[in-house]
Order: sequence, then structure tokens, then C-alpha cells
Amino acid sequence: GQSLEQPSEVTAVEGAIVQINCTYQTSGFYGLSWYQQHDGGAPTFLSYNALDGLEETGRFSSFLSRSDSYGYLLLQELQMKDSASYFCAVGNAGNMLTFGGGTRLMVKP
Amino acid sequence: ETGVTQTPRHLVMGMTNKKSLKCEQHLGHNAMYWYKQSAKKPLELMFVYSLEERVENNSVPSRFSPECPNSSHLFLHLHTLQPEDSALYLCASSQDWGGEQFFGPGTRLTVL
Repeated sequence: GQSLEQPSEVTAVEGAIVQINCTYQTSGFYGLSWYQQHDGGAPTFLSYNALDGLEETGRFSSFLSRSDSYGYLLLQELQMKDSASYFCAVGNAGNMLTFGGGTRLMVKP
Repeated sequence: ETGVTQTPRHLVMGMTNKKSLKCEQHLGHNAMYWYKQSAKKPLELMFVYSLEERVENNSVPSRFSPECPNSSHLFLHLHTLQPEDSALYLCASSQDWGGEQFFGPGTRLTVL
């Protein structure tokens, strides 16, 4: 089976940097994805790591260490609109995604 | 707007009713998924279709019955549901059974 752990809630102020960690246990691993979901909205894809290292996309970066079964999402220059839930997800060979419980990020002025 | 639409957006039904949820993707993808999202729980994968064939059924009760008539459409037929089935049901699609999944807005289902 697969399981993922991520903090349930994180609070930060505008302009700050926040890191959301994700640890996973999996019987098969093809990559770690991150999705953002605003209240009342659909999850939207943010990033994907199949190999170790850092992937950067604008203000968002994602990191993976397969040996540690660990990854994180880094959000820089936080904006109020970044307040949302962030989910890590592990994909297996068939792109069957198993999602973590989500981290609710609250950005304060 | 992700290119994945779902209808209805909201549905209230009794335990003896039969209803269907519809999903349509306009992205030319060939894999489609049903997820259930309940409060305080992770997104749960229910069904996966690739090239219109079901490739995954994650121990979902038989009162949920999926149908994929073609690569653009996915249905979830519901009958004799329980109140604990109340949740947000999300449809997603992807290309080549891998990579980024595009989610629809979901159907908020309430079972009375």
C-alpha cells in the first residue's frame, strides 16, 4: 500500500517563504506530484518530480529525495491568493495517484 | 477552466434514488478518473479508465457503477447510496495514462 504524510496546516505572512513537507511510504514509485486546491475549486497541477533534485516553476519549487522518501513544495514571495490546500501525491506505474491529506496554507497580510 | 466539465455541480438525492454524474473532457486525453473527496480525508481514487477500458477499481462498493462510452465521456451511476457517500466527486483526465491530471470542478453530492 501507499501512505503520505504532510502537515495539516501552515500559516505564513505575505512576502514570506514557506515549505510544505511530504513523506511517503510506497510499494511502487514513479514520481511525486503537487496539486493546489482553493476552497470550492478543483485541484490544479503544480509540479512533478520523478528524479532527485529541485524543480523550479516561477515562485514555486518542488524537491524530491527518493532515498529519503521525502519531498517538499517551496512557495516564495507568498501572496494572499496562495491561500489554499496543497496536496502531495505519489504515482505508480499506472499513474494511479495516492494523495496525502493536504496542507491548508493560510497567508496573512 | 481546465477543459474538464462535470454535471451536475450539485446533487441532492435520497437513498432510494438512482442518478448519474457526467464528466466530459475536451483535451484529447485517453485516460479518465473518478475521485471521491470527503471532508478531512485525502482524495480517494475510485476508478480509472484508459482507452475506454477500466484498469482500476479501488474496492468501491457496487452502488457506484462507472461507464466510459468513449475517451471523452465518463459517467458515474449511483443507486441506493448511503449518507456517508455524501462528498465531492471529482473527475480528472490525463494523456497516455501518466503525467499531469486535469480535474473538473466536481459534483457536490448530498445523500439524505
